[in-house]
Amino acid sequence: DVKVTQSSRYLVKRTGEKVFLECVQDMDHENMFWYRQDPGLGLRLIYFSYDVKMKEKGDIPEGYSVSREKKERFSLILESASTNQTSMYLCASSLGWDANTEAFFGQGTRLTVV
Amino acid sequence: QQQVKQSPQSLIVQKGGISIINCAYENTAFDYFPWYQQFPGKGPALLIAIRPDVSEKKEGRFTISFNKSAKQFSLHIMDSQPGDSATYFCAASWPGGTSYGKLTFGQGTILTVHP
Repeated sequence: DVKVTQSSRYLVKRTGEKVFLECVQDMDHENMFWYRQDPGLGLRLIYFSYDVKMKEKGDIPEGYSVSREKKERFSLILESASTNQTSMYLCASSLGWDANTEAFFGQGTRLTVV
Repeated sequence: QQQVKQSPQSLIVQKGGISIINCAYENTAFDYFPWYQQFPGKGPALLIAIRPDVSEKKEGRFTISFNKSAKQFSLHIMDSQPGDSATYFCAASWPGGTSYGKLTFGQGTILTVHP
């Protein structure tokens, strides 16, 4: 059974903290993504990676960075957390460069910044 | 700029009824249109998808209708069941090469099916 695992279901962090969200996939997928989910806005792409050490900005990269040192692991970093980054964060992975492949999502991390 | 617009934001249907969710897109380069289903506490999961070379795709009670000229596509859930209660997202992506499987999502529709 394919699996994308996010390290935390719930996180509460203080304003200004550096926050790490971790994601691991066991499907040997090339592509990994970080999305942010907010009510009424759907899922918005923050960053994605199509290979180890490769990364590309998505639609809303400001205030975030990513790291992909190993194929199976993709980390999202909030350099200095702010209250407007309170949200549900979803990691996903997919196979290859073909757009028409299924994206597999993790269960999400609900981050609250206070 | 929201390139995929989804409506309605929420939908209440009686058991056995038909649920219809609509999406419209702007980018004519999109050529893959999946629908994802998300239950509370879970990540989205692929439900059904269509390419623009067909006007309709059916899988069980779920049907995608696609209108290329109008740049619209919709999800129909026949004989809706309480177990279908979830959030539904339409999405779109463009051809391979520089796409890398990136999806542009609609705003989501919360479907509630009453028993």
